[in-house]
Amino acid sequence: EVQLVESGGGLVQPGGSLRLSCAASGFTFDNYAMHWVRQAPGKGLEWVSSISASAGNTFYADSVKGRFTVSRDNSKNTLYLQVTSVRAEDSAIYFCAKPSLFGYDAGSFDSWGQGALVIVSS
Amino acid sequence: DIQMTQSPSSLSASVGDRVTITCQASQDIKNYLNWYKQKPGKAPKLLIYDASNLETGVPSRFSGGGSGTHFTFTISSLQPEDIATYYCQQHDSFPYIFGPGTTVEIK
Repeated sequence: EVQLVESGGGLVQPGGSLRLSCAASGFTFDNYAMHWVRQAPGKGLEWVSSISASAGNTFYADSVKGRFTVSRDNSKNTLYLQVTSVRAEDSAIYFCAKPSLFGYDAGSFDSWGQGALVIVSS
Repeated sequence: DIQMTQSPSSLSASVGDRVTITCQASQDIKNYLNWYKQKPGKAPKLLIYDASNLETGVPSRFSGGGSGTHFTFTISSLQPEDIATYYCQQHDSFPYIFGPGTTVEIK
């Protein structure tokens, strides 16, 4: 059974940083690209970032480009999102998601974590 | 970037009704369009991938169609457990934009 478990969320001050983690199990992690999707309170879904299986390709939403960095450690089956220079509008639940197919651009997300809540406030 | 619109933003229908949601892309995305269901406090769930393919385990009352820029999502007979918000998502090119969502309620 595929499991994705996010951690690292919490309260962070504007301008601050934190690192989100997503521990994966139940599938061959290094075969799949991985994605981060966020959802602000009461709002819709926003794709944030993607990383290819080998970490050779990364992609970001314009809203986070230059501030967020996606990475992965395939030896630990873990996906990361380094969040820096946070703003109030970054407050959201951050989900990691696994695509259903191989390929760096596989964009149908068939498995999701439960999400990690990030609150940006002073 | 590709923009996605959905209509309606919300709807109320009776159990057993046929419900249709539309999703429009700002440019041709071929059939790279997915539909997700999300209940409050839960992660989204993939229902339809590549416009018309039913994800494994999803009830057959759900269906999708369309290609290019215009897509539809249909629940053939609305059930109480279908109360949720439904999102379309394009995956033709980055950034993978989601539609704004359609909230489905029972009348």
